[in-house]
Amino acid sequence: GQNIDQPTEMTATEGAIVQINCTYQTSGFNGLFWYQQHAGEAPTFLSYNVLDGLEEKGRFSSFLSRSKGYSYLLLKELQMKDSASYLCAVLHSPGTASKLTFGTGTRLQVTL
Amino acid sequence: GAVVSQHPSRVICKSGTSVKIECRSLDFQATTMFWYRQFPKQSLMLMATSNEGSKATYEQGVEKDKFLINHASLTLSTLTVTSAHPEDSSFYICSARVVAGSRYEQYFGPGTRLTVT
Repeated sequence: GQNIDQPTEMTATEGAIVQINCTYQTSGFNGLFWYQQHAGEAPTFLSYNVLDGLEEKGRFSSFLSRSKGYSYLLLKELQMKDSASYLCAVLHSPGTASKLTFGTGTRLQVTL
Repeated sequence: GAVVSQHPSRVICKSGTSVKIECRSLDFQATTMFWYRQFPKQSLMLMATSNEGSKATYEQGVEKDKFLINHASLTLSTLTVTSAHPEDSSFYICSARVVAGSRYEQYFGPGTRLTVT
């Protein structure tokens, strides 16, 4: 099966930088996604990494190391609206079909 | 990005009744859609993979006779919760997959909050 681990909760200050880590163990790895989810809403896409390295998109960056089964999401210049859950999800192909399996999510609280 | 809609956004039903939730891809065709369930303060759990024109593939532990999935067209998948019970109360989210070359994208609907009384 798949095993995806993230910290349960994190707190950071407005304007700061925060790194949310995700480790995974899976077979048939096809890529790793990060989603943001505000309470009571559906997840929104943040990033997708399939190759090793850093992908930067505005204030958000995502890193992947396939050999280490490790990814992180980096949020810069934190804003209050960044308070949300951040979900790490692994795309894998157990057979002919690919599917996305989610980690437990990290609840980020941004404070003044 | 692509837009996925769900209807209804909220539904309250009595125990023993059935509820149908619709998931539509609005500006693209989705041969594959996914149904997730999310309990409070927990992550999304995949229930089943819905394939257009064929039977859905259910995850282990999900009762196929209780959660009926139909994917009759390239833009519509439905989930029917049959004989609902209070423990079925949850946030149900559908998702549609877009594969473009080497990129894989998956977009989520806004979710349906089901409350069974």
